Amino acid sequence: GQQLNQSPQSMFIQEGEDVSMNCTSSSIFNTWLWYKQDPGEGPVLLIALYKAGELTSNGRLTAQFGITRKDSFLNISASIPSDVGIYFCAGYSGGSNYKLTFGKGTLLTVNP
Amino acid sequence: DTAVSQTPKYLVTQMGNDKSIKCEQNLGHDTMYWYKQDSKKFLKIMFSYNNKELIINETVPNRFSPKSPDKAHLNLHINSLELGDSAVYFCASTPYGAGGPNEQFFGPGTRLTVL
Repeated sequence: GQQLNQSPQSMFIQEGEDVSMNCTSSSIFNTWLWYKQDPGEGPVLLIALYKAGELTSNGRLTAQFGITRKDSFLNISASIPSDVGIYFCAGYSGGSNYKLTFGKGTLLTVNP
Repeated sequence: DTAVSQTPKYLVTQMGNDKSIKCEQNLGHDTMYWYKQDSKKFLKIMFSYNNKELIINETVPNRFSPKSPDKAHLNLHINSLELGDSAVYFCASTPYGAGGPNEQFFGPGTRLTVL
């Protein structure tokens, strides 16, 4: 079955630094999604990407749908303490499938 | 105006008990899901319903039984609870059926602790 490799597994950074995380897949996806989960809460959709090469921003967040359709990255610029949380990538392959394939998450810690 | 809501938020119970978790979405979405998030934070899909019809039934013990009385509600009943059932359970919904981009919107989670 499809698998997603998300890296890094965790990051410890200073406030103000930029952050980059990525996901790679063994097969192609039609949609890439990036979620953030705050402690004690459910995942919240940050950015959705719908076609290869697409680059989308949401405030200080920028994500790209890889040209091969097998990868995506998320960048956070000028990190702030409230960026702390777990970031998940998810891919959707389309067709008759109803499932998202999730990465294992990147735990981000921001030191003020 | 909560989009996807779950009750209860916390559930602490003894081994062997039967319990239910409820989920409701007011987004008008057609498809709903149950996920289990273990201590390593991995999100594992359990079930999905599309317009009250079961469409995903992963390898889950048959002690877990979902029920969808209408397309806005998806409940999860768990019989004979075991220690390994302790986890956070998330409900999610999407307006899309098969083939759509499948953006899913999650509830706040139910933390189940089995003693």
